[in-house]
Formats: sequence, C-alpha cells, structure tokens
Amino acid sequence: GAVVSQHPSRVICKSGTSVKIECRSLDFQATTMFWYRQFPKKSLMLMATSNEGSKATYEQGVEKDKFLINHASLTLSTLTVTSAHPEDSSFYICSASGLAGGYNEQFFGPGTRLTVL
Amino acid sequence: GQQLNQSPQSMFIQEGEDVSMNCTSSSIFNTWLWYKQDPGEGPVLLIALYKAGELTSNGRLTAQFGITRKDSFLNISASIPSDVGIYFCAGLRADKLIFGTGTRLQVFP
Repeated sequence: GAVVSQHPSRVICKSGTSVKIECRSLDFQATTMFWYRQFPKKSLMLMATSNEGSKATYEQGVEKDKFLINHASLTLSTLTVTSAHPEDSSFYICSASGLAGGYNEQFFGPGTRLTVL
Repeated sequence: GQQLNQSPQSMFIQEGEDVSMNCTSSSIFNTWLWYKQDPGEGPVLLIALYKAGELTSNGRLTAQFGITRKDSFLNISASIPSDVGIYFCAGLRADKLIFGTGTRLQVFP
C-alpha cells in the first residue's frame, strides 16, 4: 500500500512554456503533499507544502508565482512550472502523507525529470 | 535552507563488505530517518528513529539515533550489488523533512 504516482515521468519543453506535473496518492487519502526539487548529484530540497483545500506554503527562496501548486483533492496535487527557463531543469519529486496527528510518514513519488531547452 | 552533512560522500566497496555512514546536524532533531534512492526514482524509507540512543534494525541495515540528537549512523552488513544507490538521512521538524547531502554507494562483485 501507500503508493504515490507522478505524471509525466519526464518532460522536455521549450523555454517560456508552462509545464504541469501531477502527483497522485493511489491507495490512501493524502491530507498533505510536499514538493521537492533535486539537482543532479544533489540532495532533495523542499519547495512547498500543500494541504488539501488550502493554499500551499512555500519555502524561503521559492517563487510562488513561478511554481504554482494546487491540492484540490485528497488524492491529487499539481505543480505547474510557469514560463519555464533552462535553470528550472531539475528532478521534481512529490511526497504524500495521510495520517492525522503524530509523525505522518511521507511516501515519495517516482519523480519527474524536467528539461527546459 | 539547512542541510544535514553526511559522510562519506561516496563509497566503493566489494560485495560482502560492511558499510558505515553517518549524518550530522548543527541542531537537534527528535526524529531521524534513513532513505535509499535509486537512479531516476524517489527515495524509499529504510529506517525511522524516534528516540535518542535508539538502535533499530531492518534486515542487514542497522541505524542509530545519536545520544546528542544531532547525529545518526547507518550500517549495512554483508553488502550485495542491489545495495547500490544513494543513501540520505533526514531530520524531521514540524512535519517537514530536511535531507542530508547523501552518500553514494557502489558495490563491486
């Protein structure tokens, strides 16, 4: 159980276009979803936290107008990279957690590799 | 943002050898976790530690929560080729994970 999927797994786009990445919890209801960014050979850096039905909370230095997050249901969160530029090329990983209270284990998706030309 | 420091950065070992890696922080965490990430995949939880001094095993893996709450250690015994990957520690703070810099493990047959 506790499977998280991401779509697409990889995407290549032209500079200036917008790209939407979906994160789904397949077999549980995710009250909270997290979005991370990972550059090659680097660690995962938290970009934002989203709770179902409310606005996402962004980490310091992450532009909320560039990285639009929507968590409209308990099983789906989307990250839209607007007006993408080559420096946005990265591996984007989501995670989802679903228990109330205490430590809620985060289950990670397989990631989406974005390449902006 | 804050990152946890892991050492070594990378390890090249022979199949059957034991492996030790550690993770240190300048601040205290009340929960430490260890993850493994395969190339092009998301991280998978290996072990979670909830109490200072705690020693927890998962098969050939053993992890310890440092007594100061500022460090943690992961040991892998009798390594096998499928142990190849990147190992990340993470500290949990206010339901957010702060990841370490990672240790890349290569296992040669």
